[in-house]
Amino acid sequence: DGGITQSPKYLFRKEGQNVTLSCEQNLNHDAMYWYRQDPGQGLRLIYYSQIVNDFQKGDIAEGYSVSREKKESFPLTVTSAQKNPTAFYLCASSTRREGVHTGELFFGEGSRLTVL
Amino acid sequence: SQQGEEDPQALSIQEGENATMNCSYKTSINNLQWYRQNSGRGLVHLILIRSNEREKHSGRLRVTLDTSKKSSSLLITASRAADTASYFCATDEKGTALIFGKGTTLSVSS
Repeated sequence: DGGITQSPKYLFRKEGQNVTLSCEQNLNHDAMYWYRQDPGQGLRLIYYSQIVNDFQKGDIAEGYSVSREKKESFPLTVTSAQKNPTAFYLCASSTRREGVHTGELFFGEGSRLTVL
Repeated sequence: SQQGEEDPQALSIQEGENATMNCSYKTSINNLQWYRQNSGRGLVHLILIRSNEREKHSGRLRVTLDTSKKSSSLLITASRAADTASYFCATDEKGTALIFGKGTTLSVSS
């Protein structure tokens, strides 16, 4: 079945450690996104990528890094520079149509990161 | 930047009643979308309405868009307990990624 797979579902990290969250899609979508969700804050955009080997910072990119070496994959690294990384992280993808690349988003099931 | 803002933050109704949620935004848009999120899960797309459309239906869902007031509403008719979830509106800022509001938490009791 086509979809987006995020792993791991739950992750615990000690302070000072970097962690990488995986996001893989088999929908043949060009665009991929990472959002962070905190209670009462809604979703906030971390990074997005419209095409392989290209990505842009979102509203809260500090302390995070991404790569887009393959169309199917958009991993997110939460670095030790991120001051408050405990959150629910959501990956999404979408098609690009005539330059308007903000059509329907397809989301993964999320990864919950807890810093101990 | 928070583009869409939902109202109310929380809504509690009985099964069979209608639920209405509102969304306001600040800048011009190409489209506005509504998503649903069950607790602890990813978001699921419900409906997309383009800036030149005023109303759209999908099953028990009805969405309206008023670009002059920069607002949208989502109506769920004949609510069921299974509709219990958080609902988010999202808007595009002319060529960038979708920006989501903080959501409305809907609770439908049987």
